[in-house]
Amino acid sequence: EDQVTQSPEALRLQEGESSSLNCSYTVSGLRGLFWYRQDPGKGPEFLFTLYSAGEEKEKERLKATLTKKESFLHITAPKPEDSATYLCAVRVTGFQKLVFGTGTRLLVSP
Amino acid sequence: GAGVSQSPRYKVAKRGQDVALRCDPISGHVSLFWYQQALGQGPEFLTYFQNEAQLDKSGLPSDRFFAERPEGSVSTLKIQRTQQEDSAVYLCASSLEREYEQYFGPGTRLTVT
Repeated sequence: EDQVTQSPEALRLQEGESSSLNCSYTVSGLRGLFWYRQDPGKGPEFLFTLYSAGEEKEKERLKATLTKKESFLHITAPKPEDSATYLCAVRVTGFQKLVFGTGTRLLVSP
Repeated sequence: GAGVSQSPRYKVAKRGQDVALRCDPISGHVSLFWYQQALGQGPEFLTYFQNEAQLDKSGLPSDRFFAERPEGSVSTLKIQRTQQEDSAVYLCASSLEREYEQYFGPGTRLTVT
């Protein structure tokens, strides 16, 4: 069965304190790994798509990387406005649906 | 440009009532998805349309759930005889084509009392 596991469940950082979120996956065939940000009461907001091991993508303070078993979302010098739940999802060969993890709740304190 | 819109944003239904949730995808997006999100969980897939064709409905939890997209644009998710376990946020997403990233709407929060 295709599975996505995110860790930690929750993370509390001080402003400027860099860290990484982990997304490990077990799938029959990967056709894309997706990172989304979700604020309370809103729908997920698309951040990145990664397709192959070794690929990296950056956007402002966020950088996503991919290996054959996991992905990391690195947050450099976070600000309070980066506080949100970060969701990881995979698309599996033969399907269009996304399979999501349960997310990491990030809180950045000033 | 306009994103995915959903209505209503909030719906309270008494157990046993039927509800209809609407999704307006981004203009020109041919793929449309419905997901269900329970509190503190990630979204779970319900069903997928390519234009007006429903190509995957494997995630629909029971035959009380029905979705349609008759003209390949707006979609409606209908839940008949609602139960308390149907309480959740229902998210709609659209993508330009197959294999592209999905863009989500704000969701409809359904509470069944």
